[in-house]
Parts: sequence; C-alpha cells; structure tokens
Amino acid sequence: EDKVVQSPLSLVVHEGDTVTLNCSYEVTNFRSLLWYKQEKKAPTFLFMLTSSGIEKKSGRLSSILDKKELFSILNITATQTGDSAVYLCVVPGAQKLVFGQGTRLTINP
Amino acid sequence: KAGVTQTPRYLIKTRGQQVTLSCSPISGHRSVSWYQQTPGQGLQFLFEYFSETQRNKGNFPGRFSGRQFSNSRSEMNVSTLELGDSALYLCASSLGPRDRGGHGYTFGSGTRLTVV
Repeated sequence: EDKVVQSPLSLVVHEGDTVTLNCSYEVTNFRSLLWYKQEKKAPTFLFMLTSSGIEKKSGRLSSILDKKELFSILNITATQTGDSAVYLCVVPGAQKLVFGQGTRLTINP
Repeated sequence: KAGVTQTPRYLIKTRGQQVTLSCSPISGHRSVSWYQQTPGQGLQFLFEYFSETQRNKGNFPGRFSGRQFSNSRSEMNVSTLELGDSALYLCASSLGPRDRGGHGYTFGSGTRLTVV
C-alpha cells in the first residue's frame, strides 16, 4: 500500500532558527511530490518536485527530492512566527493523493 | 479566478442525523476529491469524482456518499451521523483525475462538522 511518512510530527523552535522537515515515501508509479502549508483550514501549495537533486526555492523556503532514497526535505531558514503551521507532504498515487501525517511547526518569538 | 468554495463553513449536527456538504471547484476544473481530516488520523481520502462519475473511493463506510453535477459541483452526504464523524472535510479540485501537477490541486477552506 502506498504510504508517505513525515518526521518529526511536531517541532517547536525559536524565531530565527532554521528547520528541516522530512518526508519519505513508498508510492507506486511515482511522478511528483508536493508540499503544502496548512495554517487554519485550506492547505496552500508550496512546491512540486519531480526531479532528483534540483532544489526549489521560494524566499526562505526550499525543498529537494531524492528519488533514489525516496525522500524529500523542506527547509525553512530564519523562521518567523508566521511560519507556524502544519506542513503536509503529498504524493499523487495512481488513484488518489497520499498524504503524510504532517509536521506541526511552532515558531516561538 | 475564484478558488474552491465549500459550504457551509461550520455545521453542528446530532447523532443519527444526516448532512450534506457542498464543494464548487475552480472554473474549468472537472475533478473534485474529498478528504476527512481529524487530529488522530490526518487527511484521509474519501472519494474522487470526474465528469459526474465516481472514479475512486477510500475506505469509508457506505454512510459516506457523494455525487457530482454537470457543472462539476460536488456534494458529499453522510447519513446516520456518529460522534466519530466530527472532522474537517476538505475538497480539492483539479483539471482532471490524471492531473499530477502541484498547481493542479487546489483545496477549499473546508467544512468543520461537529457531531454531538
């Protein structure tokens, strides 16, 4: 059965710290991996990764995919309180989106 | 362009009742999928509709059903509500069921269902 596993499940850091969120996957016919940020309700899109070793960047956020080892990381540098959210790793399976459990990130001022 | 619209935003029902949730996808999107999100289970896939046909179904009891209309709007129905059905119900729209693009899946803000 397809599965996506995220770690850690919860993370509390101070503003200004750098964090790394992990996502490993086992999904048949893998095509892409998506990262979403969920603050209150609607998950909002961050990145889509399809190729190994190519870093995607958006401001202080970056992500990379390793298709050989079947994992991805999401980095956030110089964290701000507005980065507090649940970060979801999602892999489209053959029939449905497969979600990780999410990492709850809390940034303390 | 307008995003994915889910109604109602909040709902309180008593056990045994039934409920209908609505999801209007982004204009031009023909696929709608539904998810249940609870603190303990995370996001669980309910079903996906494309062109008024259910394409895939998750591991939920038959009390959970849905449909899609010709304008791609989708409804989800839960009958004989149980306390454990309390959750955030999210829908996502995409151009089609084979759309694997990250921008292809847009989520609505969800309906928070509380069963008492």
